[in-house]
Amino acid sequence: QKEVEQDPGPLSVPEGAIVSLNCTYSNSAFQYFMWYRQYSRKGPELLMYTYSSGNKEDGRFTAQVDKSSKYISLFIRDSQPSDSATYLCAMTSINAGNNRKLIWGLGTSLAVNP
Amino acid sequence: KAGVTQTPRYLIKTRGQQVTLSCSPISGHRSVSWYQQTPGQGLQFLFEYFSETQRNKGNFPGRFSGRQFSNSRSEMNVSTLELGDSALYLCASSLSTAGELFFGEGSRLTVL
Repeated sequence: QKEVEQDPGPLSVPEGAIVSLNCTYSNSAFQYFMWYRQYSRKGPELLMYTYSSGNKEDGRFTAQVDKSSKYISLFIRDSQPSDSATYLCAMTSINAGNNRKLIWGLGTSLAVNP
Repeated sequence: KAGVTQTPRYLIKTRGQQVTLSCSPISGHRSVSWYQQTPGQGLQFLFEYFSETQRNKGNFPGRFSGRQFSNSRSEMNVSTLELGDSALYLCASSLSTAGELFFGEGSRLTVL
């Protein structure tokens, strides 16, 4: 079993829809949870970064972490064609030597249709 | 400020050859990480360098190696290329080994 599971999709939605992207994980040592967005032929870019359980909102994006269920989500409200990309979840623990162990989901491909 | 720069962007090699990829981090960033990205395996961590020292290493064979120079620029080398090495190789820089990663656009390697 992979440490991080993410449905690769593809996910296709109409413009204006609410999008829900999810990841589950098995390692309870993960402390930080991130969502990256990767456009075609580009490198990933950090979208959201959370530490604790709960919600974090940034504009149209909301990241949700449920540590008890080992489940994280990214919600996109009023989705736009420019949101069409691959969304990767990533989780990390940082050891005493200040080194990260970063584990990635496979990424979910999202297409928002005008 | 300038982002992470990777060269070359695209390259084609044949089995058995070797390849060297280059990464110039964001100015001031001392940590450079390398990842391999494939559709089936996603992002796989190769190694991380900080101040010219390898701080962390993933589960790749010894054919994959890297180094970091005093100006924080980094190179990775893959020797004796195999078909399965075809992938997008991404470099990411950060201020520290626990900091936010900033990725380059990647070097797409095709092995024939």
